[in-house]
Amino acid sequence: GAVVSQHPSRVICKSGTSVKIECRSLDFQATTMFWYRQFPKQSLMLMATSNEGSKATYEQGVEKDKFLINHASLTLSTLTVTSAHPEDSSFYICSARVGRVGTDTQYFGPGTRLTVL
Amino acid sequence: GEDVEQSLFLSVREGDSSVINCTYTDSSSTYLYWYKQEPGAGLQLLTYIFSNMDMKQDQRLTVLLNKKDKHLSLRIADTQTGDSAIYFCADPGYSSASKIIFGSGTRLSIRP
Repeated sequence: GAVVSQHPSRVICKSGTSVKIECRSLDFQATTMFWYRQFPKQSLMLMATSNEGSKATYEQGVEKDKFLINHASLTLSTLTVTSAHPEDSSFYICSARVGRVGTDTQYFGPGTRLTVL
Repeated sequence: GEDVEQSLFLSVREGDSSVINCTYTDSSSTYLYWYKQEPGAGLQLLTYIFSNMDMKQDQRLTVLLNKKDKHLSLRIADTQTGDSAIYFCADPGYSSASKIIFGSGTRLSIRP
């Protein structure tokens, strides 16, 4: 299947700093990538849809200015958590959509665990 | 809005079969997914079933779909310790523009 990578896998930062998380599709081009947030023992919450060459579409309740998304190429989307606070600590997962006739599958990255001190 | 529901926990003995259940509300979906998430990892697509099927078998995995009751199940035969994970039922909606709706996830634990 298609491979999606994320970097870094873990990051610890001080409150008030910004953190960038990269999501790459390694063996395919993805016009659409998604960013999810997962709290402990909970399901995934879609934060935003990242479209190559255009602005991201944010879900209701997600702050655009806090979670900056840039989909600079067909293989790379970045999520920047600006002025991070402890409540931003979470597991962030990206996915990339691979569209084929009959199926439209999302492949997920391994996730990035963010801890804000 | 559309919703997907699952029970939160399932405990089975090693070697037994595991059955994870899911109910969904969106009847327009072309297919439905099962994802597996191991501790500290992302989601791995386990299998999917088209909405015009009522059963799909893939080695130890059997997916059953009851469209009338909007009920989906995942059966894992001969459950092994490596099957310990969280299993998410997911509804991708009707089109590529739809958002995937995930269930809460069922945490499968294996007893020796």
